[in-house]
Amino acid sequence: DAMVIQNPRYQVTQFGKPVTLSCSQTLNHNVMYWYQQKSSQAPKLLFHYYDKDFNNEADTPDNFQSRRPNTSFCFLDIRSPGLGDAAMYLCATSPRWAPRDTQYFGPGTRLTVL
Amino acid sequence: AQTVTQSQPEMSVQEAETVTLSCTYDTSESDYYLFWYKQPPSRQMILVIRQEAYKQQNATENRFSVNFQKAAKSFSLKISDSQLGDAAMYFCAYRSAAGNQFYFGTGTSLTVIP
Repeated sequence: DAMVIQNPRYQVTQFGKPVTLSCSQTLNHNVMYWYQQKSSQAPKLLFHYYDKDFNNEADTPDNFQSRRPNTSFCFLDIRSPGLGDAAMYLCATSPRWAPRDTQYFGPGTRLTVL
Repeated sequence: AQTVTQSQPEMSVQEAETVTLSCTYDTSESDYYLFWYKQPPSRQMILVIRQEAYKQQNATENRFSVNFQKAAKSFSLKISDSQLGDAAMYFCAYRSAAGNQFYFGTGTSLTVIP
């Protein structure tokens, strides 16, 4: 089935050690999003790609970067994870940059920082 | 800044009964989109229902319906004939008509009692 896949589902890293989270999609959607969801908080949009165009939310820390080498894959790089970066990271896609479009979410990667 | 507020962190409902989840939002825009997403335990978030602000008619999807009160900036979700599979975290979300602002509420955890 067409879907949004996130690997790994659980990731443990050490304070300050770079980590990369992966997202892939078989929906052939133009837009891919990364959200950070901390415990008991609302998902917060970090950035999105419209095709190859990268769009950073104004308050996303510089510690977070993203790459989209092709339509299917998108990566979230955390250059120097801090304890405050422990969270669930959600990847989502949508067909177009249209506000009424449904977003299709992956199951998330839960990041633990030791 | 736009905000989305879900004042009920937890709700419960008897199977086959009706439950209403509340959501309020703050915006200065006249055109926007509102969504309810469902996140079952350990599974991905999926769209439940969507409402366009310019439409006066409340959206309905099978057992799910909304009560959209634009003047009051209220967007509640009614689940009729609740089923065990409805147990999940429910997120209310706002997206601006331009698409560049997208906010989630903190979620309501719904328990369905057999």
